[in-house]
Amino acid sequence: SQTIHQWPATLVQPVGSPLSLECTVEGTSNPNLYWYRQAAGRGLQLLFYSVGIGQISSEVPQNLSASRPQDRQFILSSKKLLLSDSGFYLCAWSVGQGAYNEQFFGPGTRLTVL
Amino acid sequence: SQQGEEDPQALSIQEGENATMNCSYKTSINNLQWYRQNSGRGLVHLILIRSNEREKHSGRLRVTLDTSKKSSSLLITASRAADTASYFCATDGGDSSYKLIFGSGTRLLVRP
Repeated sequence: SQTIHQWPATLVQPVGSPLSLECTVEGTSNPNLYWYRQAAGRGLQLLFYSVGIGQISSEVPQNLSASRPQDRQFILSSKKLLLSDSGFYLCAWSVGQGAYNEQFFGPGTRLTVL
Repeated sequence: SQQGEEDPQALSIQEGENATMNCSYKTSINNLQWYRQNSGRGLVHLILIRSNEREKHSGRLRVTLDTSKKSSSLLITASRAADTASYFCATDGGDSSYKLIFGSGTRLLVRP
């Protein structure tokens, strides 16, 4: 069966520090991968998605970046965190073409930037 | 702006009652999905309805889709305290992209 892992579960970082969040998927090949951010009590904002190794689409201009070094690994990074980067970060995967199928979400990372 | 907007933003009902949540969207779609999120957790897919479907059932869930009104509803029958969560609709925007566009959600509280 397929599983998705995200770590860390919680993170507290000072403003200006770097960030690296990792997401890995098991049990499937060539998944579509997604990074979302969720502000408290709000919906999900799509940050990046990837349909293959090295292919990254950015949805929102910001100081975050994403990389996909391996088929089932998706990394969210920042060189210098801002206060506004605080939030709940969710990784998700799906298979198939387009947004025709359900997405499967990881447990999320709660990031607090102080 | 958000493609999907849920209504109401918050709903409080007694256990055993039915809960109805609505979602409106702006562009044409290929499908609409509903997800559930327990506090502080990831989202869990509940049901997907395609644009050529009008109604779909899954256990105690009933989803309707009215493409002429660009709206959908999620009905949870005989609610339980364990149904307490936030519920989100998501649409594909009608194009061939891989993106889902989520609404801001309805927070459901089921009182025991």
